[in-house]
Amino acid sequence: AQKVTQAQTEISVVEKEDVTLDCVYETRDTTYYLFWYKQPPSGELVFLIRRNSFDEQNEISGRYSWNFQKSTSSFNFTITASQVVDSAVYFCALLDQGGSEKLVFGKGTKLTVNP
Amino acid sequence: DTAVSQTPKYLVTQMGNDKSIKCEQNLGHDTMYWYKQDSKKFLKIMFSYNNKELIINETVPNRFSPKSPDKAHLNLHINSLELGDSAVYFCASRGTSGKQTEYYNEQFFGPGTRLTVL
Repeated sequence: AQKVTQAQTEISVVEKEDVTLDCVYETRDTTYYLFWYKQPPSGELVFLIRRNSFDEQNEISGRYSWNFQKSTSSFNFTITASQVVDSAVYFCALLDQGGSEKLVFGKGTKLTVNP
Repeated sequence: DTAVSQTPKYLVTQMGNDKSIKCEQNLGHDTMYWYKQDSKKFLKIMFSYNNKELIINETVPNRFSPKSPDKAHLNLHINSLELGDSAVYFCASRGTSGKQTEYYNEQFFGPGTRLTVL
């Protein structure tokens, strides 16, 4: 069965610090997709990134970067020079291509960035 | 130009009532979903429809009945509401064709409906 583990329930940092959110996944499928979503206090789910299982290149988008390592089944997310607006709950999710076509979410990591 | 819309955004009701939440997507996607986010923020799939056909039903009580009149709509009807049904319900849609498109396999989420059962 597919499973996503975000071991960090809550993280609190001071503005301008770098912070890494961990995500470990389990799947038996060879083809799958990994996602990160942001849920700010307003409640909507904001798509951040999609990565397929065949693309292990790390990605950088502004202050955000993602480290995908199949060898350790991890897809970690780093925010560089964090800002107060980064405060949110962040979800890692797995979409398998094995037929169920559903997103399996981790339990989320609540990030608080203090001024 | 909202991609996935849900109504209502907030729903407060008494135990035992029946209520519906509507979802519409204008993305031309084939697959739509309902997810439930509980008070601990845990997000879990409830249902999935592909071209109006139910493909996922994740052990949801039969008080919950999804209805898909066409592939752009997936409504959620809940009978005999219970306190434990209080949650945020998210609708989502996903395109399953055009594998080379940038957004293939991305699920687009609606804004959520916060249901409070008193």
